[in-house]
Amino acid sequence: AQSVSQHNHHVILSEAASLELGCNYSYGGTVNLFWYVQYPGQHLQLLLKYFSGDPLVKGIKGFEAEFIKSKFSFNLRKPSVQWSDTAEYFCAVKVAEYGNKLVFGAGTILRVKS
Amino acid sequence: SQTIHQWPATLVQPVGSPLSLECTVEGTSNPNLYWYRQAAGRGLQLLFYSVGIGQISSEVPQNLSASRPQDRQFILSSKKLLLSDSGFYLCAWSPTGGLNTEAFFGQGTRLTVV
Repeated sequence: AQSVSQHNHHVILSEAASLELGCNYSYGGTVNLFWYVQYPGQHLQLLLKYFSGDPLVKGIKGFEAEFIKSKFSFNLRKPSVQWSDTAEYFCAVKVAEYGNKLVFGAGTILRVKS
Repeated sequence: SQTIHQWPATLVQPVGSPLSLECTVEGTSNPNLYWYRQAAGRGLQLLFYSVGIGQISSEVPQNLSASRPQDRQFILSSKKLLLSDSGFYLCAWSPTGGLNTEAFFGQGTRLTVV
């Protein structure tokens, strides 16, 4: 069965610092990968997604992620974080061979200090 | 446009009482439907998913069950709640059609079993 690992549960950064959140998945076949964000008091929303093609995908609010198939990774990056990026971030993977079920990682709580 | 409704938003139930959480989707047909439980530090745990009416896949053994009596209706139930059933429950849907679809989430239900 597929699984998703997020390496850091809590990250604290100062404004303007660069961000990289790690995500690794376990399945070796064809996958679709997602990053979701949950701002305090709000519901989950999609940041970006990878289906095929260019492994570097750009999402909303200046976020990007790079799919590295050989490393089974899909790390999320942002060059300069803002206080408003304080949120919980979830990596997720969908595998068609497993009936399109969508499996999430444990999440990373990001706190940006102003 | 498509919308997802999940209710109630909060619920306090005594141990041993039954549970019924309802989720409906509007504006689409034959969606994939999901129930997740969100717990601090554990991310989103997939409980059930469904690719069609009456088709339910259970991910973890537990005190809960799910049903899909209509195409766009997904119900999470329990006959007798346990204290450990307390948590935040999220319903989600994604368009049918395989991998290349993202999931959209409801606002969630905060369940407290007392």
